[in-house]
Amino acid sequence: DAGVIQSPRHEVTEMGQEVTLRCKPISGHNSLFWYRQTMMRGLELLIYFNNNVPIDDSGMPEDRFSAKMPNASFSTLKIQPSEPRDSAVYFCASRRPVGETQYFGPGTRLLVL
Amino acid sequence: SQQGEEDPQALSIQEGENATMNCSYKTSINNLQWYRQNSGRGLVHLILIRSNEREKHSGRLRVTLDTSKKSSSLLITASRAADTASYFCATEETSGSRLTFGEGTQLTVNP
Repeated sequence: DAGVIQSPRHEVTEMGQEVTLRCKPISGHNSLFWYRQTMMRGLELLIYFNNNVPIDDSGMPEDRFSAKMPNASFSTLKIQPSEPRDSAVYFCASRRPVGETQYFGPGTRLLVL
Repeated sequence: SQQGEEDPQALSIQEGENATMNCSYKTSINNLQWYRQNSGRGLVHLILIRSNEREKHSGRLRVTLDTSKKSSSLLITASRAADTASYFCATEETSGSRLTFGEGTQLTVNP
């Protein structure tokens, strides 16, 4: 099992640019979570999907953030336009249908200049 | 304040000593989980304790849960330098399946 796969691992971009983060959950997992981690705010849940359907997006900071899950094996988190305050590590995690443990990917370290 | 607050924020001990970290929360929960994060890495699940359980063991880890006090503790016995990491508690509330993470305890085990 390859675990949760995230790409890119590092992203440096300029303010105003569009950023797309990608996640491939563990095969057979039907729940997917996007988190953001910063020193100031810790680990925050942005949005989570169950069976490809967004269930709770109350953590999405603002309209500049959007997330999609077109199929069970792929999700994207898009920031458009990006701002310096979006700089953070973004984690994707997945969970089995009957389970409570979340399995985290290695994260994408985003720096917006 | 935030659900799932860890105490202390940082802990430094010598190899072989025990490390105890505490977590407090505010709402009713289904379960409480502890995760570990090495620097620059993702979180790794350590142990889960359900709301009807009081104590759980896994190797050198011991977790307790006191729902009346809304608190949990993680004990790592006979610590090793490789245990150096940040440790987070996370609560799954009864209202849904989302996890809310605390701010973490940075543990340093000196060889």
